[in-house]
Amino acid sequence: DIQMTQSPSTLSASVGDRVTITCRASQSISDWLAWYQQRPGKAPKLLIYKASILESGVPSRFSGSGSGTEFTLAISGLQPDDFATYYCQQYNSYATFGQGTKVEIK
Amino acid sequence: EVQVVESGGGLVKPGGSLRLSCAASGFTFSSYTMNWVRQTPGKGLEWVSSLSSSTNYIYYADSVKGRFTISRDNANNSLYLQMNSLRVEDTAVYYCARVRGGLRPPFDLWGQGILVTVSS
Repeated sequence: DIQMTQSPSTLSASVGDRVTITCRASQSISDWLAWYQQRPGKAPKLLIYKASILESGVPSRFSGSGSGTEFTLAISGLQPDDFATYYCQQYNSYATFGQGTKVEIK
Repeated sequence: EVQVVESGGGLVKPGGSLRLSCAASGFTFSSYTMNWVRQTPGKGLEWVSSLSSSTNYIYYADSVKGRFTISRDNANNSLYLQMNSLRVEDTAVYYCARVRGGLRPPFDLWGQGILVTVSS
C-alpha cells in the first residue's frame, strides 16, 4: 500500500501569509495527486488534481506542484476562509489520503 | 442543484448490519464512477469502495473486503453500501463521493456524510 505523509500536522499563520504544505508518498505516484480542503463539520472539497491542475471555481491563490514522491500545496495571501484542514490524496493505486494539515490562525 | 445525499446511518451492535444509501441529483448519475469514503478522528480519511458507472469495475479497501458490498441503481440515481459483520473500528462518518471523470479519483462531489456508530 502507498502511504502518504503530510507535514506539518498543524500550521499557524496570519491573514495575508503565504503557506506551504508538503505531502510525501512512500513510492512514486507520478502526478496522480489531489489536494482537498475540509472545514469543520463539512465534506472535503477538491482543490487541485493531477498535482497542479486547479479545479474549476477554486481561487488562483491555491497552487500545487511536484511529481514522483514529493508534492506541495501553496496558498498565497491566506484568506479567512482558508483556515481549514488540508488533505493530499494519491490515486496512482486507487486512493490513499494523507493524515491532514490543519491551518490555524496565529 | 448537483448533489449527493447519504442516508441510513445509525447505531448498530458489533456483528450487525446496516445499509447506507446515497441519492444523487442534478447530474447524469449513470455516467459516473461512485465511491464510499469514511472518516474517523483517529484514522482520518479512508477510501472504502468504488463502483464504475456500468458496474464492470468494483474495488474494496482491504479493511472491508468480504464484509461490505457496494451496488447502484442507475434508474433511480442511487448508490448503496451494504455493511455486514460490523466492527467497532467501522465507526465513522461515511461519505458518498463522485469521481471527477473516468474510473479513478479525484472526487469532485461529496455528500454531507452520515454517521455510523458500532457499539454494544
